[in-house]
Amino acid sequence: ILNVEQSPQSLHVQEGDSTNFTCSFPSSNFYALHWYRWETAKSPEALFVMTLNGDEKKKGRISATLNTKEGYSYLYIKGSQPEDSATYLCAFEETSGSRLTFGEGTQLTVNP
Amino acid sequence: DAMVIQNPRYQVTQFGKPVTLSCSQTLNHNVMYWYQQKSSQAPKLLFHYYDKDFNNEADTPDNFQSRRPNTSFCFLDIRSPGLGDAAMYLCATSRAFLGYEQYFGPGTRLTVT
Repeated sequence: ILNVEQSPQSLHVQEGDSTNFTCSFPSSNFYALHWYRWETAKSPEALFVMTLNGDEKKKGRISATLNTKEGYSYLYIKGSQPEDSATYLCAFEETSGSRLTFGEGTQLTVNP
Repeated sequence: DAMVIQNPRYQVTQFGKPVTLSCSQTLNHNVMYWYQQKSSQAPKLLFHYYDKDFNNEADTPDNFQSRRPNTSFCFLDIRSPGLGDAAMYLCATSRAFLGYEQYFGPGTRLTVT
């Protein structure tokens, strides 16, 4: 059973704060690390798919880094806005392909 | 425009009464997945299709079946729902394996009474 852990489980920040959360995953048989954002009553949507150690990806105010050797990824949100409130899920994809193993997510609430 | 559509969004069924959840996609993707998510837990893969090839996860109960009659549609059948099957069921698609993002539907929330 693969262990994908996310921390913290939930987070409340004020509008304008920057924040980050962590995903840890197995360092063996790694192919890719996915990040998804899931807003209430909507579909989860992909933020990033990262494959290379040291990779850093950015989309607007959101960025992510990847360390495959130690098995962790950070997601950063700069200047949080209320519309960033969502559950952020990471998922580990191993070299055998065909499946993603998800973490339980970090639930972010941004207060105006 | 919605690319992965799930119907219904909310489904109530009785204990032991068969229920079918549906998923359709307009992306023409090869792979379709069904996930189960129970409250505050990680989404758990039940099975997937790559085209017509079906792959059942080892720990998916026999009570859960799936059909994919064509590229666009995929169904999840729960033959005899138990109270423990109450969950959010997510359908997702991807172009292929290895490094491709998945596109999700909004999910069907199943309640078993």
